[in-house]
Amino acid sequence: GAVVSQHPSWVICKSGTSVKIECRSLDFQATTMFWYRQFPKQSLMLMATSNEGSKATYEQGVEKDKFLINHASLTLSTLTVTSAHPEDSSFYICSASGQGDLYEQYFGPGTRLTVT
Amino acid sequence: GQNIDQPTEMTATEGAIVQINCTYQTSGFNGLFWYQQHAGEAPTFLSYNVLDGLEEKGRFSSFLSRSKGYSYLLLKELQMKDSASYLCAVLDSNYQLIWGAGTKLIIKP
Repeated sequence: GAVVSQHPSWVICKSGTSVKIECRSLDFQATTMFWYRQFPKQSLMLMATSNEGSKATYEQGVEKDKFLINHASLTLSTLTVTSAHPEDSSFYICSASGQGDLYEQYFGPGTRLTVT
Repeated sequence: GQNIDQPTEMTATEGAIVQINCTYQTSGFNGLFWYQQHAGEAPTFLSYNVLDGLEEKGRFSSFLSRSKGYSYLLLKELQMKDSASYLCAVLDSNYQLIWGAGTKLIIKP
C-alpha cells in the first residue's frame, strides 16, 4: 500500500511556457502533500506544503505565483511551473502523508523537467 | 536555526559493515527518519525512530539517542545495490520534516 504516482515522469518544454505536474495517492487519502525540488547532487529542498482544500504554504524564497499548487482532493495535488526558464530545470518530487500516525511521507517517482 | 549534519560521502567494501551518522539540532523532536535514494529516483523509506535505542530491520538497523541529538544507520553485509544516498530527516515540533543533505555511499567490490 501507500503508492504515490507522478505524471509526467519527464518533460521538456520551451522557455516561457507552463508545465503542470500531477501527484496522486493511489491507495490512501493524502491529507497533506509536499512538493520538493532537487538539483543534481544536492539534497531535497521543500518548496511547499499543501493540505486538501486549503492554500499551500510556501517555503521562504519560493515564488507562489510562479509555482502554483492546487490540492483539490484527498488524492490529487498539482504543481504548475508558470513561465518556465532554464534555471527551473530540476527534478520535482511530490510526497504524501495521511496514512496512519507515523507522519511518514510516501514519495512519488519524481518528474524531471528540462526547460530549453 | 535548525540543522542536520551527516557526512557527504562514504566508501565501503562489498560484504562489510558501514555506519552512517547523523546529528541534529531542531526545534522540538517528533521522530527521525532514514531514507534511501538511488541516483535519479525518489527517496524510499528505511526506518523511523522516536524512542532511544536500536531498531533492527534485516540488514539495516537505526539507532537514536535523543539526549545527544544523534542517530546512525547501520548497514550490514553490504551489497553493490546499497550504493545510494542516505538521507536523515527529523520531524520537528511543527511536524515538519527537516532534511539533511544526504550521505553518498559508494560500495566497492
